[in-house]
Amino acid sequence: DVKVTQSSRYLVKRTGEKVFLECVQDMDHENMFWYRQDPGLGLRLIYFSYDVKMKEKGDIPEGYSVSREKKERFSLILESASTNQTSMYLCASNPLTPDRGRVYTQYFGPGTRLTVL
Amino acid sequence: QKEVEQDPGPLSVPEGAIVSLNCTYSNSAFQYFMWYRQYSRKGPELLMYTYSSGNKEDGRFTAQVDKSSKYISLFIRDSQPSDSATYLCAMTALSGNTPLVFGKGTRLSVIA
Repeated sequence: DVKVTQSSRYLVKRTGEKVFLECVQDMDHENMFWYRQDPGLGLRLIYFSYDVKMKEKGDIPEGYSVSREKKERFSLILESASTNQTSMYLCASNPLTPDRGRVYTQYFGPGTRLTVL
Repeated sequence: QKEVEQDPGPLSVPEGAIVSLNCTYSNSAFQYFMWYRQYSRKGPELLMYTYSSGNKEDGRFTAQVDKSSKYISLFIRDSQPSDSATYLCAMTALSGNTPLVFGKGTRLSVIA
């Protein structure tokens, strides 16, 4: 089974801190994604990556950056955390080509609930 | 107009009821349609997927796609308390590099 892991389930940080959220997938997927999920707003795409060292902005990239140095690892960075970045952060991955007939489906990690005080 | 519209609920039904969850969309290029289930404080997990129009059944779950109306549905028969979760629809065009477009999710509670 595909496994997407995230480094922390819960994080509490202070305003202005630099925050790293790590995501690792073990299925050699090309594509990886970072979302945040907020009540009433649903899933919103922050950044995604098609390959190592490649990144594309999603719908809400402001205040975030990403790093993909290895295929299996995709990091989300909050350069200077702010209270409005308190949220649930979800990482996902999917293969570039059809995966056992489940074409283009994304597999999600368990999420990191970040609180910025 | 948002690309994908989904009623957020909450929807509360008695155990054993038939549940109908729906999404509408505006982009006629969408070809692949998925339903994800998300339990509280967990990541979404794929429940069902369909390609183009038609029905797909898996146990108590049936997914329907009507491309002419740009409307997709998920039916849950004999609903159980364990079905209580948020259900998100998702869809994409024919491209592995195109991110999925998600609905906001419908929160379902099945009361024993």
